[in-house]
Amino acid sequence: DTGVSQNPRHKITKRGQNVTFRCDPISEHNRLYWYRQTLGQGPEFLTYFQNEAQLEKSRLLSDRFSAERPKGSFSTLEIQRTEQGDSAMYLCASSRFEGNADTQYFGPGTRLTVL
Amino acid sequence: KQEVTQIPAALSVPEGENLVLNCSFTDSAIYNLQWFRQDPGKGLTSLLLIQSSQREQTSGRLNASLDKSSGRSTLYIAASQPGDSATYLCAVTFGNKLVFGAGTILRVKS
Repeated sequence: DTGVSQNPRHKITKRGQNVTFRCDPISEHNRLYWYRQTLGQGPEFLTYFQNEAQLEKSRLLSDRFSAERPKGSFSTLEIQRTEQGDSAMYLCASSRFEGNADTQYFGPGTRLTVL
Repeated sequence: KQEVTQIPAALSVPEGENLVLNCSFTDSAIYNLQWFRQDPGKGLTSLLLIQSSQREQTSGRLNASLDKSSGRSTLYIAASQPGDSATYLCAVTFGNKLVFGAGTILRVKS
């Protein structure tokens, strides 16, 4: 069990560019979550997957954002046409959900800076 | 809509003091409550998880309580140390997601 990993750890991009982040969950975890954290605030929920199915999306997830978990293992989060307001820490978490509340384990995050 | 509030926003104490961080939430229909620690620029480390049917959990110098009916939780840190300096986040599991407070920034001075 090596924990949740995220890549890249830091990303600097220019406004209008597309970026993609990757999250590798703890093996055997069936749920994967994405959160966004801006400076001075707690993380805010974006979306989650159970296996490969995306089951819930926050209204924060505009149509410029898309997330996938194609084989129920790793996940990617893509932001198209980035805006300065997208600058934040993007956190991934995974859990083993067995019919009741689960404990989410967080990765180190990807810090995005949009210039 | 679930809202989580943490008080105080920041706290500075001398080493060795006992301290209490407060968390309140607006909707009592939660599965559990967690306290996390976050160091600058880093991810989150889970400290304590209290199931909705429990009243408290303890781990070392940390003790967390939960009063679901009043929508309150406290995190008690005994004999604080400079290494405890970090941001402490409270989160409730509401539906299928965690809802976080904005955190308390703790500084323990040596």
